[in-house]
Amino acid sequence: DTGVSQDPRHKITKRGQNVTFRCDPISEHNRLYWYRQTLGQGPEFLTYFQNEAQLEKSRLLSDRFSAERPKGSFSTLEIQRTEQGDSAMYLCASSPGQGREQYFGPGTRLTVT
Amino acid sequence: AQTVTQSQPEMSVQEAETVTLSCTYDTSESDYYLFWYKQPPSRQMILVIRQEAYKQQNATENRFSVNFQKAAKSFSLKISDSQLGDAAMYFCASLSSGTYKYIFGTGTRLKVLA
Repeated sequence: DTGVSQDPRHKITKRGQNVTFRCDPISEHNRLYWYRQTLGQGPEFLTYFQNEAQLEKSRLLSDRFSAERPKGSFSTLEIQRTEQGDSAMYLCASSPGQGREQYFGPGTRLTVT
Repeated sequence: AQTVTQSQPEMSVQEAETVTLSCTYDTSESDYYLFWYKQPPSRQMILVIRQEAYKQQNATENRFSVNFQKAAKSFSLKISDSQLGDAAMYFCASLSSGTYKYIFGTGTRLKVLA
């Protein structure tokens, strides 16, 4: 078990471009979360998957954000038409069950220029 | 709605001393879970300690312990015998039973002075 991995670790993109991030959770974890973290703040919930089903999505997310978890394994987070305000660290976490702790990946740092 | 408040943006502690980080939360649920996570500089977040609200006994993990005051909705973290490696951002988080959304506080930056 190598933990939660995320790819890429860093992404620099120009405003208006689309970006996609990948998260590979711990294999036996059926719960997967995406968060956004800005400097000096705690992680902000974006969306949650249980297996392949997306069960909750933050109202803070605009329609430019979409996430998938095909076959209940890895997940992708896509941001379309990026804006400078999207610059942040995007964290993925997985959990083995309700009430259990989350295991975080190293994050993808997005910079929109 | 759940909320988590960490009122100390930054704390300092001398190596080998004890420090307490504060956290208050608000939830209307009777069953919930509380967590402290550590995020070292440029490294990923890891769990420090977890508390189930129905358990009255305070959780402990080696040098880390909590003071869980359910009535006051307080969940402070005590770090004993502080080490240089304890320097990090510490986040308090809550999860209400039956929901999926973990709510995090804004964090406390802990500095450990040699």
